[in-house]
Amino acid sequence: DAGITQSPRHKVTETGTPVTLRCHQTENHRYMYWYRQDPGHGLRLIHYSYGVKDTDKGEVSDGYSVSRSKTEDFLLTLESATSSQTSVYFCAISDFHKGYTFGSGTRLTVV
Amino acid sequence: EDQVTQSPEALRLQEGESSSLNCSYTVSGLRGLFWYRQDPGKGPEFLFTLYSAGEEKEKERLKATLTKKESFLHITAPKPEDSATYLCAVQELETSGSRLTFGEGTQLTVNP
Repeated sequence: DAGITQSPRHKVTETGTPVTLRCHQTENHRYMYWYRQDPGHGLRLIHYSYGVKDTDKGEVSDGYSVSRSKTEDFLLTLESATSSQTSVYFCAISDFHKGYTFGSGTRLTVV
Repeated sequence: EDQVTQSPEALRLQEGESSSLNCSYTVSGLRGLFWYRQDPGKGPEFLFTLYSAGEEKEKERLKATLTKKESFLHITAPKPEDSATYLCAVQELETSGSRLTFGEGTQLTVNP
């Protein structure tokens, strides 16, 4: 399986502060995704990327931005964190036969 | 808009008590339907891919089936280690960016 790592694994931050989550893959996958997972909502797409500097919005993109300056790295930024952004964030890469391969997740708490 | 609905939301079984999880979907053209298992604190892990109605896949105590409107994940003689949340997702033929749409999952608990 392609290596995909997320950092940090856990983070607590204060309302109004900027936060950046990192997703790193070790193989040359074109598509990368950021999802958030919340009880009662399941996995919801925030943003995705289809190549270096090529990104697009998902269904819950408000309050989030992304950047992809290298194939292997996809960054998710909360410009000014709010309590509603407390969630578990998953990065994924597209796999033709498996749909996605997921990272281990980042648990973000905004206090 | 793609829709995926899983039922039940939660299921408790006794060890050895077989059952099925349901995933119903609405999509204009299906490229693939995927099943994942998710353990607490971890990312979803791939189980099966189904591409066309009538297709079946098996792995140990799990069997996934697909019709034109829904998929079932059958669990035969489950064990406590099968306890997890099971997610299904669909990928549309013409979707932008190879995106998947997920259901909310079924939380399965198997008691010894």
